[in-house]
Amino acid sequence: QKEVEQDPGPLSVPEGAIVSLNCTYSNSAFQYFMWYRQYSRKGPELLMYTYSSGNKEDGRFTAQVDKSSKYISLFIRDSQPSDSATYLCAMSGGSNYKLTFGKGTLLTVNP
Amino acid sequence: DGGITQSPKYLFRKEGQNVTLSCEQNLNHDAMYWYRQDPGQGLRLIYYSQIVNDFQKGDIAEGYSVSREKKESFPLTVTSAQKNPTAFYLCASSIEGMSNQPQHFGDGTRLSIL
Repeated sequence: QKEVEQDPGPLSVPEGAIVSLNCTYSNSAFQYFMWYRQYSRKGPELLMYTYSSGNKEDGRFTAQVDKSSKYISLFIRDSQPSDSATYLCAMSGGSNYKLTFGKGTLLTVNP
Repeated sequence: DGGITQSPKYLFRKEGQNVTLSCEQNLNHDAMYWYRQDPGQGLRLIYYSQIVNDFQKGDIAEGYSVSREKKESFPLTVTSAQKNPTAFYLCASSIEGMSNQPQHFGDGTRLSIL
């Protein structure tokens, strides 16, 4: 079983839709959870950072962590064409600095 | 503006040639990292450095070398021993090399073989 699983998509939605992106993980030592957005030919940009179970909201983005189920989600409300990108989940924990990434989900928001 | 600058954006390597990718940060971060990104494979860690004059191998260090002589600079050399170097290379940094510190990325260098 891979440490982090992320559906690669592609995911295509109409403008204004609510988007749900998900990752599951197997390592119970993971305590810190991140979502990155990566545009084509660019580096990943940190969108959300959480370290506890529950929800964290930032504008149109909500990050959700369920440690009991080892499941994290990123919700995008009122999606825009500018949200079209690859979304990467990443996590770390314990004494290990190392970030473990999902493979990314390619999202297209159609005008 | 603070950030991470990678250069060049595109690089071509000939057979048997070593090439060096530059990474400079002005965020005053102690820790720096190099990743390789291949389609469908996600990000894989090549090398990391938690402090000046110290660095450790990541998951796929073979065929690569690094140095960390200055806090703001962490160049990566892709040697001729790396048989499949075509990839997108990403440099990152964090305040410290701790698991609770998110990493911030540069815009990458795309390396191709001539």
